[in-house]
Amino acid sequence: AQSVTQLDSQVPVFEEAPVELRCNYSSSVSVYLFWYVQYPNQGLQLLLKYLSGSTLVKGINGFEAEFNKSQTSFHLRKPSVHISDTAEYFCAVTYSSNTGKLIFGQGTTLQVKP
Amino acid sequence: EAGVVQSPRYKIIEKKQPVAFWCNPISGHNTLYWYRQNLGQGPELLIRYENEEAVDDSQLPKDRFSAERLKGVDSTLKIQPAELGDSAVYLCASSLRDAGNTEAFFGQGTRLTVV
Repeated sequence: AQSVTQLDSQVPVFEEAPVELRCNYSSSVSVYLFWYVQYPNQGLQLLLKYLSGSTLVKGINGFEAEFNKSQTSFHLRKPSVHISDTAEYFCAVTYSSNTGKLIFGQGTTLQVKP
Repeated sequence: EAGVVQSPRYKIIEKKQPVAFWCNPISGHNTLYWYRQNLGQGPELLIRYENEEAVDDSQLPKDRFSAERLKGVDSTLKIQPAELGDSAVYLCASSLRDAGNTEAFFGQGTRLTVV
């Protein structure tokens, strides 16, 4: 079955430190990958997406992610986090551009401490 | 430009009562999704519309859930009767389906509490 695994349920980090949120997906011939952020009592906001081309994808708020096909991973990184980055982060995948059906991971709570 | 609008934001009902959620997608978006997000989980797709046609409703519990998207714009999701396990956030999203574009824009969600 198609699935997305976010390896860490919570990631505590100090302000201005680097962070990596890990995401693995079940393998497929074609895959489209996304990271969404959800602030408390808000909907999901797209951070970045990988559809094709360069495996290093840059998104909003200084986040980037790298698509690694051999390891079926799409880890999210930021070199220096801010208090305002505290939120829930979701990795999602769709296996065809024609279905639009997103399969989400369970989420990772990023807790940025002062 | 207005985003995806959902109402109500919060709803508390007793079990066995009916409830309905409303979604207005971004203007011009032909694809509309309803997701359910249980506490501490990622969203799960309930139903997807292409214009007014439900093209994927395999995850919709059809014994108590129903949805409609009249005229291919607004959509309503209904639960009748509600059960305690239906407590969740119901998210609506929309996207413009064209080649290579699968970005979905999400509303703020309706938080349902069944007591």
